[in-house]
Amino acid sequence: GAVVSQHPSRVICKSGTSVKIECRSLDFQATTMFWYRQFPKQSLMLMATSNEGSKATYEQGVEKDKFLINHASLTLSTLTVTSAHPEDSSFYICSSGRQYSNQPQHFGDGTRLSIL
Amino acid sequence: AQTVTQSQPEMSVQEAETVTLSCTYDTSENNYYLFWYKQPPSRQMILVIRQEAYKQQNATENRFSVNFQKAAKSFSLKISDSQLGDTAMYFCAFMGTQGGSEKLVFGKGTKLTVNP
Repeated sequence: GAVVSQHPSRVICKSGTSVKIECRSLDFQATTMFWYRQFPKQSLMLMATSNEGSKATYEQGVEKDKFLINHASLTLSTLTVTSAHPEDSSFYICSSGRQYSNQPQHFGDGTRLSIL
Repeated sequence: AQTVTQSQPEMSVQEAETVTLSCTYDTSENNYYLFWYKQPPSRQMILVIRQEAYKQQNATENRFSVNFQKAAKSFSLKISDSQLGDTAMYFCAFMGTQGGSEKLVFGKGTKLTVNP
């Protein structure tokens, strides 16, 4: 099946730092990538959907200027948490998909972000 | 909007026994997909099984099978011969087919513990 590589797996940084998380689809062209946030002991919350070559679609309540998403190629999408604060600490996970495909999403291994 | 409900926050089962995890959903769509994902302590999201709504036959994958009741909008997961490695969070997920976005809607999850 499809393989998704997410990097880094763990980030610890100071408040005010911007953090970039990469999500790569290794063996197929992902026209769509999804970014989720997961709080401890909770489910995955969809933050945004990114389509290659176009602007991301953000879910209600997610700040576009806070969570910048770029999907410049069919194999790479990035999430940048700008000026991160302790409340942004969370587990972020991406998945890849193909528009109008009935194939299930394949997930990266996630990034644990800790803002001090 | 679609919703997915998992009414069992936690379940436990003895090794080698059988356990059933419940999931109900709400949608106005006629064609859609349903999934069960497993999230072990490593937090990797692993696809366990998928079901296409237009197929009446219940999906099976080795020890995992589903009971899909479309009219009742129910999609339960049965794990037979439970193994210690089955200990994980299990998420039921819905994916519609309208609009081509392939967004997954997750339930809140069921924490399954397999006891030796």
